[in-house]
Amino acid sequence: DAKTTQPPSMDCAEGRAANLPCNHSTISGNEYVYWYRQIHSQGPQYIIHGLKNNETNEMASLIITEDRKSSTLILPHATLRDTAVYYCIEGGGSNYKLTFGKGTLLTVNP
Amino acid sequence: ETGVTQTPRHLVMGMTNKKSLKCEQHLGHNAMYWYKQSAKKPLELMFVYNFKEQTENNSVPSRFSPECPNSSHLFLHLHTLQPEDSALYLCASSRTAGVWGYTFGSGTRLTVV
Repeated sequence: DAKTTQPPSMDCAEGRAANLPCNHSTISGNEYVYWYRQIHSQGPQYIIHGLKNNETNEMASLIITEDRKSSTLILPHATLRDTAVYYCIEGGGSNYKLTFGKGTLLTVNP
Repeated sequence: ETGVTQTPRHLVMGMTNKKSLKCEQHLGHNAMYWYKQSAKKPLELMFVYNFKEQTENNSVPSRFSPECPNSSHLFLHLHTLQPEDSALYLCASSRTAGVWGYTFGSGTRLTVV
């Protein structure tokens, strides 16, 4: 079973920042936090991952709390095409299996 | 196009048929995975191959038989399936097992009639 906790759904206005929270209170020291998203009926798409430090790439930013028990994925300017299910996953290190939970359905509204 | 190609995209098969799903990647990755996604359920990991060796079989029924002839190709052989096996079957690859971001294919939508 997935070890992360995410809200089942969120809404965001187009052009605004979308902040998606995730709790991973049982994450071990060498496990990363990965974020993926899945647009309807397509394969999941890798977004970003991090261990301790905040990370940013062309898609999103990842903010990890100092105690590593939670993180937030930030889409700085959400568009309609960002409507998808977003998954937060612990993995890597000694745990090589990425176990997907139910994720958060983000709906970006015009 | 993600770099992971799955064929066919759609498959309808009877319960007595034998069919195979194919996955191909030319990303230079050494790990490949099969996932199953049933309607309104999370993705379920089925099999993991790392450097052509199976490292994970997540209690998958024997009517599903994986094959990994090399690091670029992965097959899922299907026989005597049940209607509840209807699902989206997704293939993924990564540089090595679990370390780097996975790249997923677009999946095969399987319907068992």
